[in-house]
Amino acid sequence: GAVVSQHPSRVICKSGTSVKIECRSLDFQATTMFWYRQFPKKSLMLMATSNEGSKATYEQGVEKDKFLINHASLTLSTLTVTSAHPEDSSFYICSATDRGKEKLFFGSGTQLSVL
Amino acid sequence: AQTVTQSQPEMSVQEAETVTLSCTYDTSESDYYLFWYKQPPSRQMILVIRQEAYKQQNATENRFSVNFQKAAKSFSLKISDSQLGDAAMYFCAYRGALPGGGADGLTFGKGTHLIIQP
Repeated sequence: GAVVSQHPSRVICKSGTSVKIECRSLDFQATTMFWYRQFPKKSLMLMATSNEGSKATYEQGVEKDKFLINHASLTLSTLTVTSAHPEDSSFYICSATDRGKEKLFFGSGTQLSVL
Repeated sequence: AQTVTQSQPEMSVQEAETVTLSCTYDTSESDYYLFWYKQPPSRQMILVIRQEAYKQQNATENRFSVNFQKAAKSFSLKISDSQLGDAAMYFCAYRGALPGGGADGLTFGKGTHLIIQP
């Protein structure tokens, strides 16, 4: 089946630094990618939707200047958490859909801890 | 905006028994998709079952089946012959069907923690 690779799986950073998370589709062209955030023992919340070659669409309440999303190719989307603060600590998950847009594939997630 | 409600924060079932997880949703759209996802401790999201709203027939996948009641906006998951490996968080999710075949992000319920008693 289709695979979405997400890296890193875990990252610890200092407050004020920036962190980049990568999401790659390994065997299909991901025309649309989604980024979710999950707090401990909570549900997944959609942060933004990115279509290849165009600007991401952010959900209400998500700061686009803090969470920079780039989807420059059909196989790679990145989420950069800029000037990270402890409240940004969370589990971030990407998902991708192919051209048929019928199936959705999830990455394995990234646990971000900001000290 | 669409909302998904899972009213059971936790459910417990004996191994080999049957359990039903509840989910209701609210939408003004006529065409959409509904999903059940399993999230084990690894936190990898695993698709359990999917239902297209335009299909009246309830989806089934081996021991997993749904009871889809479109008028009532209800989408429950039945797990038969529960196994220890079924223990996980289960999320009900909604996805709209955009015109022209576009993809929409998922709206998730708060989840149900399923415990399997040996």
